Amino acid sequence: GNSVTQMEGPVTLSEEAFLTINCTYTATGYPSLFWYVQYPGEGLQLLLKATKADDKGSNKGFEATYRKETTSFHLEKGSVQVSDSAVYFCALNAGGTSYGKLTFGQGTILTVHP
Amino acid sequence: NAGVMQNPRHLVRRRGQEARLRCSPMKGHSHVYWYRQLPEEGLKFMVYLQKENIIDESGMPKERFSAEFPKEGPSILRIQQVVRGDSAAYFCASSPPLGQNTEAFFGQGTRLTVV
Repeated sequence: GNSVTQMEGPVTLSEEAFLTINCTYTATGYPSLFWYVQYPGEGLQLLLKATKADDKGSNKGFEATYRKETTSFHLEKGSVQVSDSAVYFCALNAGGTSYGKLTFGQGTILTVHP
Repeated sequence: NAGVMQNPRHLVRRRGQEARLRCSPMKGHSHVYWYRQLPEEGLKFMVYLQKENIIDESGMPKERFSAEFPKEGPSILRIQQVVRGDSAAYFCASSPPLGQNTEAFFGQGTRLTVV
């Protein structure tokens, strides 16, 4: 079956530090890959996505590249801000038209200090 | 255009009671998905519904849990005879019926506490 594995957390960084959150996946076929962000007490918001190999998703300074050869979709940001503190989820959709059916990783808590 | 609306935001039930969680999808969306998030875990897919039809319930527990999405009104996730292990955040997502590579939009969730 499909699965997503994220790096263990939590991650604590100082403002303006470089961020990497690792994500690897197992899936049959050609999944679409997503990063979602969850702020305290809120629902999930789509941060970025990539739908095929070598695509790069980007948004708000965050980037992730769909690497089929390593089955990875690592999230990066060059300079984090305090406002980036949240829980980050990597997810995949196995394809077809049910694009709301997602397999999520366990989430990584990011805390950014001033 | 309002987003996905879930209510209540917080729900407390005693063991053995019933919990009813509501989800109104975004305007124009006819697909609804329910997820459960246990403490310190990721979201787990439960069920996928279209209007008046259950399309995929592979993540639903076999007993006590049911879901519906009637022709009129919100989608309902019902949990009968709740137990402490049902305490979790339940999220609803909706998506439109047409197009490929379209994202699903999530509500703010209902946090169920069973005491």
